[in-house]
Amino acid sequence: QVLLVESGGGVVQPGRSLRLSCAGSAFTFSSYAMHWVRQAPGKGLEWVAVISFDGSNKFYGDSVRGRFTISRDNSRNTLYLQMSSLKTEDTAVYYCARERDPLDWSFDLWGRGTLVTVSS
Amino acid sequence: DIQMTQSPSSLSASVGDRVTITCRTSQSISNYLHWYQQKRGKAPQLLIYTTSSLQSGVPSRFSGSGSGTDFTLTISSLQPEDFATYFCQQSHSTPPTFGQGTKVEIK
Repeated sequence: QVLLVESGGGVVQPGRSLRLSCAGSAFTFSSYAMHWVRQAPGKGLEWVAVISFDGSNKFYGDSVRGRFTISRDNSRNTLYLQMSSLKTEDTAVYYCARERDPLDWSFDLWGRGTLVTVSS
Repeated sequence: DIQMTQSPSSLSASVGDRVTITCRTSQSISNYLHWYQQKRGKAPQLLIYTTSSLQSGVPSRFSGSGSGTDFTLTISSLQPEDFATYFCQQSHSTPPTFGQGTKVEIK
């Protein structure tokens, strides 16, 4: 079954770090650009970051640039999000999503999400 | 960033109703507009990409139209499993941005 599974969420204090993982299965992970999208409790969706299929290009949203780092290990079919200097406003469910087509940046496969709570 | 305005923010409808949700963008995005369905506690699912292309496996009662700055998602005959929140997303410019969502509830 084609699947993305996130892990690594939890409760963390402001200013600390956390690393999220997203494991892909049953598709050629290394052929797809991958994104992180987050959703604060009761709120809408916010795009976080993207990494190209080979890891050579990365882009970030303004609210996380300089604090978060996206990376991937295609040998392990895994996407990562290293989050540093966390703020309370980073509290959200974090989804990884597969880019359907590099020409249109729609997301055709999503994980179930992992909850990150930033609180003292 | 391109601003997305969805309307209505919520609606009540009955099974069998025709439902229309609108998404307006702050600048022209050609056809780079996509629609997602999200059920409570679940991940979003792609319904429509590039304005009017139906994602594989999505029922044909879902359709999309529009261009430029005004776009529409239509559900031709609402089914019980369609009660959910719907989001639009633009990918014309980075960062991609989402509408605030339209919650479709049972009347």
